[in-house]
Amino acid sequence: GAGVSQSPSNKVTEKGKDVELRCDPISGHTALYWYRQSLGQGLEFLIYFQGNSAPDKSGLPSDRFSAERTGGSVSTLTIQRTQQEDSAVYLCASSLDHRRANEKLFFGSGTQLSVL
Amino acid sequence: AQTVTQSQPEMSVQEAETVTLSCTYDTSENNYYLFWYKQPPSRQMILVIRQEAYKQQNATENRFSVNFQKAAKSFSLKISDSQLGDTAMYFCAFLLNTGNQFYFGTGTSLTVIP
Repeated sequence: GAGVSQSPSNKVTEKGKDVELRCDPISGHTALYWYRQSLGQGLEFLIYFQGNSAPDKSGLPSDRFSAERTGGSVSTLTIQRTQQEDSAVYLCASSLDHRRANEKLFFGSGTQLSVL
Repeated sequence: AQTVTQSQPEMSVQEAETVTLSCTYDTSENNYYLFWYKQPPSRQMILVIRQEAYKQQNATENRFSVNFQKAAKSFSLKISDSQLGDTAMYFCAFLLNTGNQFYFGTGTSLTVIP
């Protein structure tokens, strides 16, 4: 695609429900990142995928959070049993590969998650 | 661990004036990259400028330039001839040469006043 696409743009859910956030990176980009942006805070690293390598999950805040990337392209971030503190903007970014990330990250417009 | 600090949560500047956004970072490594990203209300972050730590020359990109002081671990962004479209959140970011994780500051909200 022309850019990184994220869906939905906004998601309102009730506490305790599961949510799935989708990221469609730029075609050909092998590196994919998920970040969380909370109000008044910077971007918090969640997870990183590079090609067929095992993902770097070191940023996932709890076992309620998981992510997968199918076929090296589309990625889904799943949050189970959502809590109010999960409310944030979830940003996805991609780059050609991690060796090229120093050149440029391409971001999606994010998903605004609101947990009531 | 690497940290990035932006000490100015909000700033404003008159249109056509110059403004400088501050960023400091902490690392024990010697090879890394520094970036400034802009996030307009659309939420989509866009790369403004980047600097390789091994280069002494400050990066410039049209109206945007940086003042990179490696010894002081400082990386400020100067915006000249500010335009209304520059209104956005600006994030400073750090990437180790050997790493894959970007470290971001908490951002500076810049408002350009007509």
